[in-house]
Amino acid sequence: GAVVSQHPSWVICKSGTSVKIECRSLDFQATTMFWYRQFPKQSLMLMATSNEGSKATYEQGVEKDKFLINHASLTLSTLTVTSAHPEDSSFYICSAEPGTASYEQYFGPGTRLTVT
Amino acid sequence: QKEVEQDPGPLSVPEGAIVSLNCTYSNSAFQYFMWYRQYSRKGPELLMYTYSSGNKEDGRFTAQVDKSSKYISLFIRDSQPSDSATYLCAMKNYGQNFVFGPGTRLSVLP
Repeated sequence: GAVVSQHPSWVICKSGTSVKIECRSLDFQATTMFWYRQFPKQSLMLMATSNEGSKATYEQGVEKDKFLINHASLTLSTLTVTSAHPEDSSFYICSAEPGTASYEQYFGPGTRLTVT
Repeated sequence: QKEVEQDPGPLSVPEGAIVSLNCTYSNSAFQYFMWYRQYSRKGPELLMYTYSSGNKEDGRFTAQVDKSSKYISLFIRDSQPSDSATYLCAMKNYGQNFVFGPGTRLSVLP
């Protein structure tokens, strides 16, 4: 089956620093990747959609200068949280679509970010 | 009214019971429907994927889509304690992003 990995799985950083999270599709090429944020006991909130080689499309209310997304290849997308603050502490999950013929999304295991 | 509604639970059932999980939605243009299972502090795992109306079965899981009622269901037969998780429904129209329900927390008691 389609496997998506994320790294790191858990990160603690100090307020004001930046953190990069990687999302990789391991056994398929992902034309589109998605970044979600999830607070405890709440559903997934889509932050942005990224297509390989083009700029990410951000959802309303998501600061694109704070959450930098790069989709450098068909198997790798990165999310950088810049100048992190405690309110950015959350569970960040990426997902990937295998291609235009399928709308199935496969999720990574998530990254827990704690900003102190 | 939210675009996708789902009873958050928690839903507790004894082991071996048949579980029925449901979502209602308001956008009649939705064509693609998925069910995910999410264990605590893990990413969602795709369980079922259906297009348009109808039923789909995979092992102990059956997904149903009734577009006329804007209602989708996931049935779990012979439920096991390992089925204890949060179940998320998701749906979309062509060219649009998926919209997720808030999830239903299920506990299967041994």
